[in-house]
Amino acid sequence: EPEVTQTPSHQVTQMGQEVILRCVPISNHLYFYWYRQILGQKVEFLVSFYNNEISEKSEIFDDQFSVERPDGSNFTLKIRSTKLEDSAMYFCASSGDGEKLFFGSGTQLSVL
Amino acid sequence: SQQGEEDPQALSIQEGENATMNCSYKTSINNLQWYRQNSGRGLVHLILIRSNEREKHSGRLRVTLDTSKKSSSLLITASRAADTASYFCATDDRGSTLGRLYFGRGTQLTVWP
Repeated sequence: EPEVTQTPSHQVTQMGQEVILRCVPISNHLYFYWYRQILGQKVEFLVSFYNNEISEKSEIFDDQFSVERPDGSNFTLKIRSTKLEDSAMYFCASSGDGEKLFFGSGTQLSVL
Repeated sequence: SQQGEEDPQALSIQEGENATMNCSYKTSINNLQWYRQNSGRGLVHLILIRSNEREKHSGRLRVTLDTSKKSSSLLITASRAADTASYFCATDDRGSTLGRLYFGRGTQLTVWP
């Protein structure tokens, strides 16, 4: 069964460093998303991406965050200057119809 | 905000029993979905029910939706130890882009063999 894959599974970084989280969505999907889950809290929407541009972003997704689909298969989330409060599990998701989402297993980001 | 809220927060049952989880939300929706998350893993889509549907079945899962009460329930019949996981309801919002989902905190279901 096709699946969304995310790398790395764990990322440890120093505050102020840049991180890039990588995702390979399901190949024929058109809608791409990043969500995050801070430990003990709800899964939160960050951004949606369709037709090579951002469709919507939440208030969390400020200027420190960016997304890219560089080569038609990968979908990346970049955090330019990480803060302690960016520590969370980051989930990539893709969808063929924009309704049912398929999630990856997540990247656990720890900012020290 | 639109976020769903599940209850109970935790549910512990024996194999073979039924498990019922509830979800409430706040604003108008196009659809409501239930997802499952095993510890340390991603969310897995279980079932989607549209706002004009009242009940939907998928295998051992039954979902109901009451838009007048802005609530939904997920019933897992004849539960198995492998059903142990966190279950989340997720709603969309008629004003938001496709796929922007609002999740609740989830119900942690433990099924004892």
